[in-house]
Amino acid sequence: EVQLVESGGGLVQPGGSLRLSCAASGFTFSNYWMSWVRQAPGKGLEWVANIKQDGSEKNYVGSVMGRFTISRDNAKKSLYLQMNSLKAEDTAVYYCGRDGPPIDYWGQGTLVTVSS
Amino acid sequence: SYELTQPPSVSVSPGQTARITCSGDALPKKYAYWYQQKSGQAPVLVIYDDDKRPSGIPERFSGSSSGTMATLTISGAQVEDEADYYCYSADSSGNQKVFGGGTKLTVL
Repeated sequence: EVQLVESGGGLVQPGGSLRLSCAASGFTFSNYWMSWVRQAPGKGLEWVANIKQDGSEKNYVGSVMGRFTISRDNAKKSLYLQMNSLKAEDTAVYYCGRDGPPIDYWGQGTLVTVSS
Repeated sequence: SYELTQPPSVSVSPGQTARITCSGDALPKKYAYWYQQKSGQAPVLVIYDDDKRPSGIPERFSGSSSGTMATLTISGAQVEDEADYYCYSADSSGNQKVFGGGTKLTVL
């Protein structure tokens, strides 16, 4: 059974940093692109970033470029999102997803709140 | 930046056909995907590659795409189909992924 479990969310002040993790199981992690998607409270889904199987290609939505970094560790079957210079508008539930494409399996999400 | 446009809401009676549209300039060249999201839950893929249905998704869900518009059709909508629906695709380069703004489907 495919499972994705996010962790690392929490409350952080504007300008602060946070690192999200996603632990994968039930499939060959190194065979898949992986993605992060976020959803602000009461709002729609927003694709944030994705990363190729070997980490050699990464793509980001414009609003996080230069502030967020996606990475992965295939040996640990884990996906990461390093978030720096956080803004109030980054407040959201962050989901990791297995990206076939498309994103066919999702975690349950981790809440990031950026507030003073 | 690339955008996909959906109607904010669609309402049908149980048993009627619901159609949700998604427009985007790159859709003639890029596949459309559709997700269902119920309140407090993670999204679920209901249509991939424009018109294919994942295993476990009821046959009443179907998809089509023509020109710059993709359509999700729910034939004989059920009360349990009430949810937010999102289309998903990529820009012409394939590097920027994007979700539509979402459509709230009401079945009552």
